Amino acid sequence: AQTVTQSQPEMSVQEAETVTLSCTYDTSENNYYLFWYKQPPSRQMILVIRQEAYKQQNATENRFSVNFQKAAKSFSLKISDSQLGDTAMYFCAFMTPGPGNTGKLIFGQGTTLQVKP
Amino acid sequence: NAGVTQTPKFRILKIGQSMTLQCTQDMNHNYMYWYRQDPGMGLKLIYYSVGAGITDKGEVPNGYNVSRSTTEDFPLRLELAAPSQTSVYFCASSYSDRDLGGYTFGSGTRLTVV
Repeated sequence: AQTVTQSQPEMSVQEAETVTLSCTYDTSENNYYLFWYKQPPSRQMILVIRQEAYKQQNATENRFSVNFQKAAKSFSLKISDSQLGDTAMYFCAFMTPGPGNTGKLIFGQGTTLQVKP
Repeated sequence: NAGVTQTPKFRILKIGQSMTLQCTQDMNHNYMYWYRQDPGMGLKLIYYSVGAGITDKGEVPNGYNVSRSTTEDFPLRLELAAPSQTSVYFCASSYSDRDLGGYTFGSGTRLTVV
């Protein structure tokens, strides 16, 4: 079975500093996709960044970047220059594509990030 | 473009009551999903659909039913509500299984069973 684990239930960071959220996953598949979703207090789920396993280059989206370590099955999210609006719960998620796949996402338990002024 | 619309946003049910959570999308997405999110936890898949007339169980389907008579609508039915069904329910949609997880989520329904 495929699983996603986020071992940090809560984290905090000072505004303008950098923080890294951890995620590990378990799969026997070679081709898959990984995602980070943000859920602010409004409850709306927002896609932050995604990574295709066959791409060695780490994905970046403005202040958000990932450290994808395929052999270690690790997928951490780095937020640079943290802003108060980054306060949210962050979910790591996993998906395997291919015939018969239905686009189902498997989510980790989430990490609550508090950005302090 | 409304995206994914869920109704109601909040609901309190008594044990044993039934209700339907509505989900509608206007993006012509083929794939639709229902997830539940328990307090402090990640999302777990209840049911999903890959097109009109096709539905299948996810990880936690017990106590729920779904139907997909049209591309736009994917209602979730709770029969005989139980306290264990207290949760936040999210509906999501995507164009295809290769949409790279680019789900569009609804804003959620907070359900309390007392």
